[in-house]
Amino acid sequence: GENVEQHPSTLSVQEGDSAVIKCTYSDSASNYFPWYKQELGKRPQLIIDIRSNVGEKKDQRIAVTLNKTAKHFSLHITETQPEDSAVYFCAASIESGGSYIPTFGRGTSLIVHP
Amino acid sequence: SAVISQKPSRDICQRGTSLTIQCQVDSQVTMMFWYRQQPGQSLTLIATANQGSEATYESGFVIDKFPISRPNLTFSTLTVSNMSPEDSSIYLCSVDRDGSTDTQYFGPGTRLTVL
Repeated sequence: GENVEQHPSTLSVQEGDSAVIKCTYSDSASNYFPWYKQELGKRPQLIIDIRSNVGEKKDQRIAVTLNKTAKHFSLHITETQPEDSAVYFCAASIESGGSYIPTFGRGTSLIVHP
Repeated sequence: SAVISQKPSRDICQRGTSLTIQCQVDSQVTMMFWYRQQPGQSLTLIATANQGSEATYESGFVIDKFPISRPNLTFSTLTVSNMSPEDSSIYLCSVDRDGSTDTQYFGPGTRLTVL
């Protein structure tokens, strides 16, 4: 089955700095890669996603890149703010029976210091 | 995205008992999914529930321990049976939005503590 590795497990930055979280996956059949943000005590919320036919996608301060050949994808957050502090999960999804089943990374705890 | 609710939001249970968690969606969806998130850990898929058929369980999860019902297109239940302290986790249901089946949206979760 799919295996997703996520690094780092903890990331501490100063407000205004950039943050980068990296993930690798093992199954070349994975073709959809969502990123979720989970604040303490809350549900995971989708923040950005990328499909395998796209190399990069940007939404305001958040961007995701995908390298299918190397099987890795990354989340970039620029101009970080304290409200960006949360756990971020990457996922690699494979289509199964009409739905995409994600395999999640272990998560990155991002701490943004004011 | 769909509006998803879960009941109960949290519970404290004694070992050996069972708890049924409900998941309600405000629109009809084909597939519903149940996840477990142990404290400080990632999300692990327990099973996929398709209306009108038996749930499909992931490796390491069995129907006797986690029976699932899916009586209609807006509702599902997950039962955690014969609980032990190791079952203490957050249990989340999720759906993929019809018309865009690649993204999963999560319910608020049920925080279960087993004593």
